[in-house]
Amino acid sequence: GENVEQHPSTLSVQEGDSAVIKCTYSDSASNYFPWYKQELGKGPQLIIDIRSNVGEKKDQRIAVTLNKTAKHFSLHITETQPEDSAVYFCAPLPFSASGSRLTFGEGTQLTVNP
Amino acid sequence: DAGVTQSPTHLIKTRGQHVTLRCSPISGHKSVSWYQQVLGQGPQFIFQYYEKEERGRGNFPDRFSARQFPNYSSELNVNALLLGDSALYLCASSLGLERSTDTQYFGPGTRLTVL
Repeated sequence: GENVEQHPSTLSVQEGDSAVIKCTYSDSASNYFPWYKQELGKGPQLIIDIRSNVGEKKDQRIAVTLNKTAKHFSLHITETQPEDSAVYFCAPLPFSASGSRLTFGEGTQLTVNP
Repeated sequence: DAGVTQSPTHLIKTRGQHVTLRCSPISGHKSVSWYQQVLGQGPQFIFQYYEKEERGRGNFPDRFSARQFPNYSSELNVNALLLGDSALYLCASSLGLERSTDTQYFGPGTRLTVL
């Protein structure tokens, strides 16, 4: 099965700084790479995703970069704001004949200090 | 448009009881997946259903079962509850057309506490 490692586990930044979270996966057949944001007491919210035929995708302050050769992808948040504080999960989707099972990392607790 | 809805929001049960959790997907989505999230960890895949058929099952005991109805809503059932079943149960909705690039949208979850 897919092994997923996410770093760092905690990240504290000052408001306005940038934050980068890296996710390493093992299944070279994975083709879909989403990032989710989870606030306390809520379900994960999809914030950005990328497919394997694209190297980078950007949506306002959020971007994702993918290196399929090295099997890692990263979440980049620029101009961080206090409301960005949450737990962020990467969840690559390995190819499987038995279901589209996202494999989540352990999460990164991001704290943005005002 | 309404997002993914789950009920109930919170549930308290005792060991040995059974529980039924419910999920309604986004309109137009034909696939529902269930995940278990233990406190402090990432969600773990339990089941996926597509067009009322089980498409995949994670590494969970037979005490866990699910089904999908003709309107694409779904139920997750857990029998003989254990303390370790205490978790946030998440439902994810997706189109289900492409297995390798299936975008999944999560509901708010049901918090199950087993005493």
